[in-house]
Amino acid sequence: GQSLEQPSEVTAVEGAIVQINCTYQTSGFYGLSWYQQHDGGAPTFLSYNALDGLEETGRFSSFLSRSDSYGYLLLQELQMKDSASYFCAVGRGAALIFGKGTTLSVSS
Amino acid sequence: NAGVTQTPKFQVLKTGQSMTLQCAQDMNHNSMYWYRQDPGMGLRLIYYSASEGTTDKGEVPNGYNVSRLNKREFSLRLESAAPSQTSVYFCASSELGGGQETQYFGPGTRLLVL
Repeated sequence: GQSLEQPSEVTAVEGAIVQINCTYQTSGFYGLSWYQQHDGGAPTFLSYNALDGLEETGRFSSFLSRSDSYGYLLLQELQMKDSASYFCAVGRGAALIFGKGTTLSVSS
Repeated sequence: NAGVTQTPKFQVLKTGQSMTLQCAQDMNHNSMYWYRQDPGMGLRLIYYSASEGTTDKGEVPNGYNVSRLNKREFSLRLESAAPSQTSVYFCASSELGGGQETQYFGPGTRLLVL
């Protein structure tokens, strides 16, 4: 089966850098995805790593190490609007299994 | 394009009542999904449909049924609602299905079972 572990809460200040970690156990691996959710609204896709290394999209980067079953989401130049929940997810066949989510609070 | 739409947005049921949550997508996606989200539990997969005409159970299927009516629509039915089914329900779709694909989510249905 699959299981994912990520911290429940992270706090940071505007302009800072924050890293949200995700460790996973899976019987098959189809890549690690990250989703963002504001205030209980629709989750939206942020990034996907199929191979080891860093993927960068603007202020957000995501990293994967398949040998360590570990990944992280890096958010730079934090803004108040980045306050949200962040979920890592791994593929299982035709579906995704999500972690429980990390609530990021950004303060001024 | 509206993307993924869900109806209703909110619903209050009494224990034992039934209801159907509707979901539609206009992106010509093959795969569709139903999740529930409870505080501190993240998103848990209830059922999914990898393609029109097929459905499969996810992590938490008990108490639910689904119908893939056509390529656009995927409905979730609660035959006899229970308070434990109080949750926020999200529908999602993806082009082909599989863990490497982006899933697109609807705005959710907030359900309260009394």
